[in-house]
Amino acid sequence: EDQVTQSPEALRLQEGESSSLNCSYTVSGLRGLFWYRQDPGKGPEFLFTLYSAGEEKEKERLKATLTKKESFLHITAPKPEDSATYLCAVQASGTSYGKLTFGQGTILTVHP
Amino acid sequence: NAGVTQTPKFQVLKTGQSMTLQCAQDMNHNSMYWYRQDPGMGLRLIYYSASEGTTDKGEVPNGYNVSRLNKREFSLRLESAAPSQTSVYFCASIAGLQETQYFGPGTRLLVL
Repeated sequence: EDQVTQSPEALRLQEGESSSLNCSYTVSGLRGLFWYRQDPGKGPEFLFTLYSAGEEKEKERLKATLTKKESFLHITAPKPEDSATYLCAVQASGTSYGKLTFGQGTILTVHP
Repeated sequence: NAGVTQTPKFQVLKTGQSMTLQCAQDMNHNSMYWYRQDPGMGLRLIYYSASEGTTDKGEVPNGYNVSRLNKREFSLRLESAAPSQTSVYFCASIAGLQETQYFGPGTRLLVL
């Protein structure tokens, strides 16, 4: 059974204090790993897709990396507007098109 | 483009009542999904439709039915609502080679 575990459950940072969120996964062959951002009362918003170990992707203050067992979302010099819940999901190879298994999310709060 | 839209945004039901949650996408996507999101449980797949005319069960299908009305629309029906179905429901559709799922804004359902 595919499993995704995110840590920490919640993270509080001061503005400008860089940190990382972790996503550990167990899957029978990884087809893709996805990061989403979710603001309160809204649907998840796509951030990144990673397909193979060693791959990295960046968007503004966010950088996602992937190994064979986990992914990290690095946040550099965060701002209060980066506060949100960050969701990680995996898609296993051989599953029906698009089926994702999600982690529980990390709630990030950035204080000014 | 509106992307993925969902109606209603919020609904209160009494136990045993029925209702249909509506989802539509204007991105010409083939595959559509219904998830529920509960505190501490993450997003869990209820049903999905890989293409028009097909539907399949996800992780938590009991108590739900779906209809893929056409390529644009995918509805979720609760025939006899139960308090355990109190949740936030998200519809999603999938795009292109990156297999990025785009989510709607959600329907918040309270079953009393």
